[in-house]
This record gives sequence, structure tokens and C-alpha cells, in this order.
Amino acid sequence: DVKVTQSSRYLVKRTGEKVFLECVQDMDHENMFWYRQDPGLGLRLIYFSYDVKMKEKGDIPEGYSVSREKKERFSLILESASTNQTSMYLCAGGLEGYGYTFGSGTRLTVV
Amino acid sequence: SQKIEQNSEALNIQEGKTATLTCNYTNYSPAYLQWYRQDPGRGPVFLLLIRENEKEKRKERLKVTFDTTLKQSLFHITASQPADSATYLCALKNTGNQFYFGTGTSLTVIP
Repeated sequence: DVKVTQSSRYLVKRTGEKVFLECVQDMDHENMFWYRQDPGLGLRLIYFSYDVKMKEKGDIPEGYSVSREKKERFSLILESASTNQTSMYLCAGGLEGYGYTFGSGTRLTVV
Repeated sequence: SQKIEQNSEALNIQEGKTATLTCNYTNYSPAYLQWYRQDPGRGPVFLLLIRENEKEKRKERLKVTFDTTLKQSLFHITASQPADSATYLCALKNTGNQFYFGTGTSLTVIP
């Protein structure tokens, strides 16, 4: 089975800090996604990537950027963290046409 | 606008009964649809995928149907057990590479 690892389970950052959330998959899968999940809003797609150095915006990319320099690693960057970015962040990876594997999530609190 | 709607309220059923969860979508043309299970504080776990040309898919006590005319998928858990209590999410891939989730249905199986 594919394993997707997110670097931190819990993170507390200050407003204005630059925040890096890391996600690594252990298979050679093309597709990787970043979502945030908030009560009542479900999972919302921030960015996704279907190959190295490729990225596409999801529904809510504002305030975020991503980096995919290697196939196994997809990083989400909060350029200047704000309190409204407090959320659960979930990374997923997998092959097109098959089920995706999610990481355990990073609960980010911006104070 | 595009929408993915799941049972709006939590679903409580008696152990041993069949749970039926609904996923309706609007203004999507999905190539396939997936169902995931999510436990509190964890990432979603893939359960089943059904393609647009398939009417029904089964896996152990799980069954999924997909009606592209009604724009609806039904997810059934037969002989439900308390361990099936979780939030269940439907997700679909639209044309392009984006992958969207519904807000989920919380299922509680009462012993």
C-alpha cells in the first residue's frame, strides 16, 4: 500500500510567519493534492500536482503556494500565515483512476 | 454552480441493519466516483471506486451504485457494526485533474 507521510501532526505558528507543510509519498505516483478541512465546509482543494514541477490551482489557492521538485515530495507553503488559515491540512497521493491515500493530517493553529 | 451533496444530517442506525448514504452532484460529469471513510482527527481512507460505465460495485459488506442519469451514488453498509461508525465522504473527479469531495455524512451504529 502507498504510504503518505505528513511531517507534523500539530503545528502552532505566529501571524506573518512563513510556514512549510511537507508531504512525502513512498510510491512513484504522479498525482498529489493538498486540501484543507474545516467544520461544515468539508475538504477544499488548495493545489494539486500531476508531475514534477507541475502544479495547478484548486478552489482556494489564495495565500498558499506549492513546490514539487521531486516526484515523492509535495510541499505546501503559507507565504504569510494568517489566523484564517488555522485548519486541518491533508495531503493525498495516488494514481489516476485508483483510490488516493491520505496522510494523517497536520492541524495548524495560527496565533 | 457545482455541488456535491451528501445526507445533510447525521445518520443513526441499529446494529445489524443496512446503512444507506446518498451522494448527489450537480454540474459535474465525473469519470468516476469514490467513497472514503474518515475517523475523527485522521485522514480519509479509500473504500471503493465506481466508474461512469459501472452500475454497481461490491466489496465485502459494502456496495456502491452509480446512476449518471440521476447524478447520484448510493453507498450501502450491510449488517452494520458499531465499528462502522465514522464519517463517510464521496468524491469525484471531474474533467481535468481536479478531485472534489462532499461534506460527508456522519454515521453512528448503535449497539
